[in-house]
Amino acid sequence: GAGVSQSPRYKVAKRGQDVALRCDPISGHVSLFWYQQALGQGPEFLTYFQNEAQLDKSGLPSDRFFAERPEGSVSTLKIQRTQQEDSAVYLCASSPRTGDDTQYFGPGTRLTVL
Amino acid sequence: GNSVTQMEGPVTLSEEAFLTINCTYTATGYPSLFWYVQYPGEGLQLLLKATKADDKGSNKGFEATYRKETTSFHLEKGSVQVSDSAVYFCALSGSGGSNYKLTFGKGTLLTVNP
Repeated sequence: GAGVSQSPRYKVAKRGQDVALRCDPISGHVSLFWYQQALGQGPEFLTYFQNEAQLDKSGLPSDRFFAERPEGSVSTLKIQRTQQEDSAVYLCASSPRTGDDTQYFGPGTRLTVL
Repeated sequence: GNSVTQMEGPVTLSEEAFLTINCTYTATGYPSLFWYVQYPGEGLQLLLKATKADDKGSNKGFEATYRKETTSFHLEKGSVQVSDSAVYFCALSGSGGSNYKLTFGKGTLLTVNP
């Protein structure tokens, strides 16, 4: 079946622009996660949704980062007034059940801020 | 907090060589342990997992054993193939109410030459 998909795959933004990154999880998956992966590093947790509820946003690096999942399916990660340090790959993952620690990852969106 | 330390790469091997990628961790409670693989241009894929001490995860010829006494989860394969060339990430889940939160190592780049 279809895996997690993300769009766009690549995004170039000028510093100060707002960007929106989309994630389509595997159909029926309850849990959704966003991670940030800097060049040469492992992914770092940003935020977690269970259905439409954002239960943990402790990893969001600043109040310029905002995520939503209004209908418990598709999620959008928005970054306002982008900065160069926001350049990274943003990964989305989903999991079928609450408490299931196996996460299925999408291909990521590579954001470059000039 | 939780952390994962894995062997720095890059690792370069000839086809059919034996592979070990070391991974040690620091965690509270009883996390699950994972190896994820990232092939060029693709998203993270779960390779194997182990959920409790002395469990062995295995998949596609790869194995790793959850060693609580040494806080390790080393990845091994007896005979690597060119198609195993990828970046390998060791990860652990949070414990208790944060079991959804994965903490990753920095990744190890493996190149297998024919």
